[in-house]
Amino acid sequence: SQQGEEDPQALSIQEGENATMNCSYKTSINNLQWYRQNSGRGLVHLILIRSNEREKHSGRLRVTLDTSKKSSSLLITASRAADTASYFCATDASGGSNYKLTFGKGTLLTVNP
Amino acid sequence: GAVVSQHPSRVICKSGTSVKIECRSLDFQATTMFWYRQFPKKSLMLMATSNEGSKATYEQGVEKDKFLINHASLTLSTLTVTSAHPEDSSFYICSASELPGKRAYEQYFGPGTRLTVT
Repeated sequence: SQQGEEDPQALSIQEGENATMNCSYKTSINNLQWYRQNSGRGLVHLILIRSNEREKHSGRLRVTLDTSKKSSSLLITASRAADTASYFCATDASGGSNYKLTFGKGTLLTVNP
Repeated sequence: GAVVSQHPSRVICKSGTSVKIECRSLDFQATTMFWYRQFPKKSLMLMATSNEGSKATYEQGVEKDKFLINHASLTLSTLTVTSAHPEDSSFYICSASELPGKRAYEQYFGPGTRLTVT
């Protein structure tokens, strides 16, 4: 069954605005990752946050993790048209196989110039 | 960073034929490779996990005789869609992990293969 659920499913903003996407999951995890996918392309790894971390930054990206609520958020600040893509969270479940990632349904972000 | 390639990037085949998709790790040895399927505007669904030199492990609901996976070397895994049908049309993405001891987060993704069955 699908582990992660992102919301919103689609988000449209203007260039320069911030974009926030959320991800919820159901089981305990070792870590959570965010990926980006341009239309018809492969996945690009953005950031990983471990289960014992609460917040992580990478450039214009800020990820938070709340294990008590089993949720994570991805914030993209000062968005650009080039940020237009689908964003997925993926979890690596603790206690299970160390190799399997479970992906959420994704958020389609459109940044209008 | 580690690079994974897929070939072909796009393929169109007729119903009933078989098509092979290759996944290569270009600058590292991939002991474990993963095959995912993605429907339009949907998420990635793991199909199978392949380890070099052993049989692939398929996820529930994935027909192993339909989707043949071979991981004969540390840099190459192939997915063969046998007797393809239009419902097999999809975007297939592979990923590769470097060593058995590495964690799942060290997966490197290929660019994907768009399969269209007519």
